[in-house]
Amino acid sequence: LAKTTQPISMDSYEGQEVNITCSHNNIATNDYITWYQQFPSQGPRFIIQGYKTKVTNEVASLFIPADRKSSTLSLPRVSLSDTAVYYCLVGDGAGSQGNLIFGKGTKLSVKP
Amino acid sequence: EPEVTQTPSHQVTQMGQEVILRCVPISNHLYFYWYRQILGQKVEFLVSFYNNEISEKSEIFDDQFSVERPDGSNFTLKIRSTKLEDSAMYFCASKSWREGTDTQYFGPGTRLTVL
Repeated sequence: LAKTTQPISMDSYEGQEVNITCSHNNIATNDYITWYQQFPSQGPRFIIQGYKTKVTNEVASLFIPADRKSSTLSLPRVSLSDTAVYYCLVGDGAGSQGNLIFGKGTKLSVKP
Repeated sequence: EPEVTQTPSHQVTQMGQEVILRCVPISNHLYFYWYRQILGQKVEFLVSFYNNEISEKSEIFDDQFSVERPDGSNFTLKIRSTKLEDSAMYFCASKSWREGTDTQYFGPGTRLTVL
């Protein structure tokens, strides 16, 4: 899997939009970009996945520029319950049975 | 929404004892995984399992570890002789192959404490 770099931590306040950017300069043509969320003492949870441009679901949006060397996870109007660690992963999404390699992630703290 | 379940939620054992951690993956999934997370550290891959055999394993997954799918629903991780450093959260995950996606669904984890 391509190596990723993301901020160690971020602080925000309730109601704000939070953008977490991940760098993946060595992303390969077949690689997808996937974000997971992990609450304390729980398993990681899939949030969103994309290949290029923009993907949006009920939880978040994922923005991927044309060169795909970075991606930005956008969380609209965060609440206290969005306090978690967010992981950016890059890998072959086309039917791969491979394992996921997690980095340290970004610890998001949402304050009232 | 279907989900991965794990039992027990917390297991306390003495060093040298055998433990079996159990997982029930999502029913139509074909790929199964075990990960662990030592307190305050990264989630680490242990082993993947497909078609009733190990597909891939990490350096952590030594001879003390084994996995099994004893029936059509359960997926187990056995640690034969536990060590203090095996204390961690153990997560089971499963995946359904769909072209163009690579999403694993994680269970809530089993907290293993080795005394």
